[in-house]
Amino acid sequence: DTAVSQTPKYLVTQMGNDKSIKCEQNLGHDTMYWYKQDSKKFLKIMFSYNNKELIINETVPNRFSPKSPDKAHLNLHINSLELGDSAVYFCASSQVGLGNTEAFFGQGTRLTVV
Amino acid sequence: SQQGEEDPQALSIQEGENATMNCSYKTSINNLQWYRQNSGRGLVHLILIRSNEREKHSGRLRVTLDTSKKSSSLLITASRAADTASYFCATDAGRRALTFGSGTRLQVQP
Repeated sequence: DTAVSQTPKYLVTQMGNDKSIKCEQNLGHDTMYWYKQDSKKFLKIMFSYNNKELIINETVPNRFSPKSPDKAHLNLHINSLELGDSAVYFCASSQVGLGNTEAFFGQGTRLTVV
Repeated sequence: SQQGEEDPQALSIQEGENATMNCSYKTSINNLQWYRQNSGRGLVHLILIRSNEREKHSGRLRVTLDTSKKSSSLLITASRAADTASYFCATDAGRRALTFGSGTRLQVQP
């Protein structure tokens, strides 16, 4: 009964490859996010989708492309992977608009680019 | 830019002691939240305090908010080894996404 699940948990790949990370939430939330956590544990928002519509797109290389087929899923596709993309990527969801924007996080995907 | 900054960056205490972590932020907020992250895991929401609230309690957690100083503190009383984790503050400034600080790593020695 995992609320926010993302796969895979670990991803090791070579530079230049294309990879995808999948995320699903079963909480009925209307908003989903992708965050990147660097080696210093700093968490930065990358994208936010509300009801399948992109509402936040931070300064992220266009090699990163989110896709939301429905409001329960938000996948992240990364083209031409670079060493600097190595990080932990977290998917999260929340129900915005109720005055309570508590976010629920997935377990994270540790991406290592070699 | 980084919205929140936690202080201290790392804290080591003995079981049974209290742990206090501070967070400063830069812009006006709707609410401020604290999250815990165990090693290798996702973040777990602990407590939310709205901008019109000054103090909130939840079990062994006490959070204060001073909007005039743009700061918050998280107090964990009677700490346990299981409280060992990183703690993050996050602000909701109406951008429809939370902005996180850099976290405080808490080590509770048994």
